[in-house]
Amino acid sequence: EPEVTQTPSHQVTQMGQEVILRCVPISNHLYFYWYRQILGQKVEFLVSFYNNEISEKSEIFDDQFSVERPDGSNFTLKIRSTKLEDSAMYFCASRRSGPEQYFGPGTRLTVT
Amino acid sequence: GESVGLHLPTLSVQEGDNSIINCAYSNSASDYFIWYKQESGKGPQFIIDIRSNMDKRQGQRVTVLLNKTVKHLSLQIAATQPGDSAVYFCAEKVTGGFKTIFGAGTRLFVKA
Repeated sequence: EPEVTQTPSHQVTQMGQEVILRCVPISNHLYFYWYRQILGQKVEFLVSFYNNEISEKSEIFDDQFSVERPDGSNFTLKIRSTKLEDSAMYFCASRRSGPEQYFGPGTRLTVT
Repeated sequence: GESVGLHLPTLSVQEGDNSIINCAYSNSASDYFIWYKQESGKGPQFIIDIRSNMDKRQGQRVTVLLNKTVKHLSLQIAATQPGDSAVYFCAEKVTGGFKTIFGAGTRLFVKA
């Protein structure tokens, strides 16, 4: 069964450094998402991407964040200058049509 | 404002009993309501969805009820099993948009 994959599973970085989180969505999906989940809290929408552009973003997704789909398979989230409060689980998700999103296993980002 | 929230943070049930997880929402501009299950260390997993013009939908061992009058959503799990132990999130997809808003989550414990 196809699945969304994410790398790395855990990323430790120092405050102020740039990080890139990587995702490979399910191959025939059209809509791509990034979410974050601070430990013990709810899943928060960051951004959606469709037709090679951002379709919607939340207030969390400020100028420090960017997304790219550099080729036909990868979908990345870049945080330009990480802050302590960026520490969280970051989930990538994709869907083809309808509301059902398929989530990856997540990347745990720890900013020290 | 938009928010999706849950009545109870934890629910403990005996194996074999039925479970009911409740959710209140405040944003009426949603076309789908969705339940996700999140096991420890994993990404959310789609369980079932319901269109906003429906009031009931059944899946395998699960039923979702939508009461738009009181803005209430529930997930019923029949014959709860130990494998059902997880955090359950209700979520809503905003009509005409891409954003999915998650609620706070309910942790379900199944006692053997």
